[in-house]
Amino acid sequence: DSGVTQTPKHLITATGQRVTLRCSPRSGDLSVYWYQQSLDQGLQFLIHYYNGEERAKGNILERFSAQQFPDLHSELNLSSLELGDSALYFCASSPGIGSETQYFGPGTRLLVL
Amino acid sequence: EDQVTQSPEALRLQEGESSSLNCSYTVSGLRGLFWYRQDPGKGPEFLFTLYSAGEEKEKERLKATLTKKESFLHITAPKPEDSATYLCAVQVIGVGKDSSYKLIFGSGTRLLVRP
Repeated sequence: DSGVTQTPKHLITATGQRVTLRCSPRSGDLSVYWYQQSLDQGLQFLIHYYNGEERAKGNILERFSAQQFPDLHSELNLSSLELGDSALYFCASSPGIGSETQYFGPGTRLLVL
Repeated sequence: EDQVTQSPEALRLQEGESSSLNCSYTVSGLRGLFWYRQDPGKGPEFLFTLYSAGEEKEKERLKATLTKKESFLHITAPKPEDSATYLCAVQVIGVGKDSSYKLIFGSGTRLLVRP
């Protein structure tokens, strides 16, 4: 158990809908990272938040957005969902903003029908 | 462009048959190299961090090494419970406004250890 929690574990929805994925980092960690893992793309970095502020964006679509709240939990919002958005979504956390190890949560499996 | 390549894509071993997994990288400004283990449907589990060429880390049957261009994960006398996908990731730092440390993952090596 990494100490990172994610909800829900599974999500099934329809094309065009909007969903919110939630992540709670390890106790004391200020950084939260979001990743997408699909069969053909592997693990892709989406976005990084540190202490409530966005720090970096990776391959994140404009239909996706995220935020980190004062209690440090983070939410990833996916809208206008398409079939190709079906994937595993992971968040990871680390203590600061440097080169520390990122610890991953169990993931949310999203299926868009 | 920063790139991480893992080989082989898949590896089948008999229990006790030692082998090595390779991770080669071309990045500008390597800050660290990470090995993770991932079981099906689960999140990546941290194994090792390596920061400089020549560095080695060991944990049970696993040993990770790093050179300037690649890393190896050596598995000695593997057991069936070592079956998993092993992911290599390099950490790079962005430039300008993007000063975040990012992980760039390879596609992984799927290891199957048969009893």
